[in-house]
Amino acid sequence: EAGVAQSPRYKIIEKRQSVAFWCNPISGHATLYWYQQILGQGPKLLIQFQNNGVVDDSQLPKDRFSAERLKGVDSTLKIQPAKLEDSAVYLCASSLFEGTGELFFGEGSRLTVL
Amino acid sequence: AQSVTQLDSHVSVSEGTPVLLRCNYSSSYSPSLFWYVQHPNKGLQLLLKYTSAATLVKGINGFEAEFKKSETSFHLTKPSAHMSDAAEYFCVVSEAKLVFGAGTILRVKS
Repeated sequence: EAGVAQSPRYKIIEKRQSVAFWCNPISGHATLYWYQQILGQGPKLLIQFQNNGVVDDSQLPKDRFSAERLKGVDSTLKIQPAKLEDSAVYLCASSLFEGTGELFFGEGSRLTVL
Repeated sequence: AQSVTQLDSHVSVSEGTPVLLRCNYSSSYSPSLFWYVQHPNKGLQLLLKYTSAATLVKGINGFEAEFKKSETSFHLTKPSAHMSDAAEYFCVVSEAKLVFGAGTILRVKS
C-alpha cells in the first residue's frame, strides 16, 4: 500500500515570496490534515479536510496561508507572502476515519525562509 | 483545554537497558492518548493508542504504555532498548483533535 506522498521535500525561499506544497493521501482516506512542525516543537494542526470540505481551520493564518482539496483527493497548501517564522516542516497526514487518532503521515516538506 | 507535557526533551540509554519516556496530560474529559515515533527523515508512525479499555497498552516493536488517571500520566516503556529505537517520540492527547507534546529524542548507545 502506497503511503502519503508529499512534495517538494525541501524548499528554500526568501521572505515575501510564495510557496506551495502538495500532498497525495493514502487511497480511500477521506480525512486529510496539514500540520506545521517548528524545530523543537510538536506538530500543530493547520487545517483538516473531510473529503473536500474543511472541518477545522481555526489555527490556519488565513492572511497568508491557504489550502484546498479539490475532488477530495490530493491537496495543496500555499503560503503567500512567506515570513521568516514560517520556516518549519509541513506535514501532511491522512486517516481512514475521522476521530480515531490513527493518522498516517508523509515524510514532510521542509521550508526555509531567508 | 487539553495539553500534554513530555518531561524530558532528551533521553539516553545503553542498548539492552530499559527505556522510560515520561508524559503527563491535561484533559477535561476522558481522553484518548497516543504515542507516535518519528525516525530521521521518515514520517510519524503510530506506536500505540489508549481509548479507555485496558490501562496497559501494548504497541509495536515491544513498546507499551500505562494509563494512570490518578497521576494524569501515560509513560512509554520498553524492557530492552535496541539501536533501531533511536528516534523522536511524541505523546499525543485527543478530545476533539490531536494535541502533540514537544517530543523526546531517544538516543541509544552501543
